[in-house]
Amino acid sequence: GESVGLHLPTLSVQEGDNSIINCAYSNSASDYFIWYKQESGKGPQFIIDIRSNMDKRQGQRVTVLLNKTVKHLSLQIAATQPGDSAVYFCAERNSGYSTLTFGKGTMLLVSP
Amino acid sequence: DGGITQSPKYLFRKEGQNVTLSCEQNLNHDAMYWYRQDPGQGLRLIYYSQIVNDFQKGDIAEGYSVSREKKESFPLTVTSAQKNPTAFYLCASSSEASSYLGGLFFGEGSRLTVL
Repeated sequence: GESVGLHLPTLSVQEGDNSIINCAYSNSASDYFIWYKQESGKGPQFIIDIRSNMDKRQGQRVTVLLNKTVKHLSLQIAATQPGDSAVYFCAERNSGYSTLTFGKGTMLLVSP
Repeated sequence: DGGITQSPKYLFRKEGQNVTLSCEQNLNHDAMYWYRQDPGQGLRLIYYSQIVNDFQKGDIAEGYSVSREKKESFPLTVTSAQKNPTAFYLCASSSEASSYLGGLFFGEGSRLTVL
């Protein structure tokens, strides 16, 4: 596969476990955060987003938690499946700007 | 179906040659972006354009050039001045009118290898 995951932090879980992927963001002025999933050789895909006026947002099998005090974002995946194996990126948008800043990513490996 | 199309998917280049990567979108999005991705790193912004005939440098614009003559198209030229061009290049678009709605939509990427 593509080498996008080389040297990335890696989380290995068993199928059916819950996964938690963490992200520390840099800018206290960021007002919008997004989690993306990137499979090998493909472009990133939107998973879930959250605005800075929220602490938690839930989607289908995924939950994003935002702790602005310590500038920390997490993605929780319930009942992880082998198809969830990918690199996960968090991204932040600085209020007043139109561009996103991406974290380095975490590789999630799910074994059957 | 609406989406973003990047071409070619794989490209090989000799040192000293310029190459142009194509990005076309039919999402009617105003803004388009080019990112570079290297192993073990996050996406880094090269150039972006919020409107036709206007574009801005991102964090790593040196050695690259772009144009935005049409809303649908945002080609990226990797020039011979780019010292380390081998990378995975991602094009994205967004609708500024709904900038909270999912951020960026990405193409499938173009992998450039300099021989």
